[in-house]
Amino acid sequence: DAGVIQSPRHEVTEMGQEVTLRCKPISGHNSLFWYRQTMMRGLELLIYFNNNVPIDDSGMPEDRFSAKMPNASFSTLKIQPSEPRDSAVYFCASSLAGHPNTKYFGPGTRLLVL
Amino acid sequence: AQSVTQLDSQVPVFEEAPVELRCNYSSSVSVYLFWYVQYPNQGLQLLLKYLSGSTLVKGINGFEAEFNKSQTSFHLRKPSVHISDTAEYFCAVSPTRAAGNKLTFGGGTRVLVKP
Repeated sequence: DAGVIQSPRHEVTEMGQEVTLRCKPISGHNSLFWYRQTMMRGLELLIYFNNNVPIDDSGMPEDRFSAKMPNASFSTLKIQPSEPRDSAVYFCASSLAGHPNTKYFGPGTRLLVL
Repeated sequence: AQSVTQLDSQVPVFEEAPVELRCNYSSSVSVYLFWYVQYPNQGLQLLLKYLSGSTLVKGINGFEAEFNKSQTSFHLRKPSVHISDTAEYFCAVSPTRAAGNKLTFGGGTRVLVKP
């Protein structure tokens, strides 16, 4: 299995631009998680989905952030408009429903907003 | 709400020496406990987890951790480290009622193994 796939791996953009991060979970996994990692705040859960349905988005920082999971093999995290404080590494993780304690993380997308 | 404190931000250690990474947590509800490792420029990988049962948990790569409920601790140990263990290690907890879905992470401990 290819593992969790994230794209792009690196993104540099200017303040005010729209940014879209993509994630392909492991085939057969039906839970998907988006995390953000910064020096100041560490690792934070932004949102998670079960069977393509958002279950908890309480970690999404503000309305500029949105996440979708249109099907079982694809999810996006969008920031519009982006701000310098959004600079971070964004991780996607997936797990089997019934086995949420074993999450598989992608390699992350390193975002820099200038 | 839960919180996790990793008492050491960096731990230098010589190859083949033992290492212990400390983790304390705070929670008003029962939790599951985890240790993850992050190698440079990679995602997190699960080292081990405590869900129930024996308080001594063995994980991958020779790591083990002991859950101490009275001290609300979950310290990670390895008797003899290798250069390849150089990485950042994260302790995490999740309420049992959330079935492991809502992880709260500690700030991480960077381990640098020296030859």
